[in-house]
Amino acid sequence: AQKVTQAQTEISVVEKEDVTLDCVYETRDTTYYLFWYKQPPSGELVFLIRRNSFDEQNEISGRYSWNFQKSTSSFNFTITASQVVDSAVYFCALPIQGAQKLVFGQGTRLTINP
Amino acid sequence: GAVVSQHPSRVICKSGTSVKIECRSLDFQATTMFWYRQFPKQSLMLMATSNEGSKATYEQGVEKDKFLINHASLTLSTLTVTSAHPEDSSFYICSARRTPGGGAADTQYFGPGTRLTVL
Repeated sequence: AQKVTQAQTEISVVEKEDVTLDCVYETRDTTYYLFWYKQPPSGELVFLIRRNSFDEQNEISGRYSWNFQKSTSSFNFTITASQVVDSAVYFCALPIQGAQKLVFGQGTRLTINP
Repeated sequence: GAVVSQHPSRVICKSGTSVKIECRSLDFQATTMFWYRQFPKQSLMLMATSNEGSKATYEQGVEKDKFLINHASLTLSTLTVTSAHPEDSSFYICSARRTPGGGAADTQYFGPGTRLTVL
């Protein structure tokens, strides 16, 4: 069965620190996609990234980077030089192949303190 | 972009009344929309999958007569909470997929959510 585990329930760091959010997944699919979403206090889920299981290259977008390790079934998310505006709940998600549905992790609440 | 709107953003109603929440894809057509429910400090729970022109598919444990879903056009899905009770108070979020039949490759874009409070 598809499953996403975000073991870190809450993380709190001081501004400008780097922080990594962990995501471990389980799937029986041979090809699959993984997603990260950000949910700021306003409530809206903001799409951050979609990664194809064929592509294990790390991705960088500004201060955000993602490390996909198929061998360990992990898709970790790092924020470099964190800012207060990065404070949010971050969700990792995995689609159920053919069922169009997303399975979400429990989310990691990230607090960046000034 | 891929913008999804929801209306209303907040609603307070009395127990026993029905509440309708609208979800619109503003700049793309969405053959499939999803309705989620989120309790405080918890993850999203999928309630149902809404396909344009057909009946919604409900997740196990979700009462279809309680949560009526209509997806009458490629840009609009509605969720009606019928005879709402305090336990229905929650944050309801919709999402929309851009591509028909895209399967797992498709990205879901989320609306801003609706906070329902039933007194």
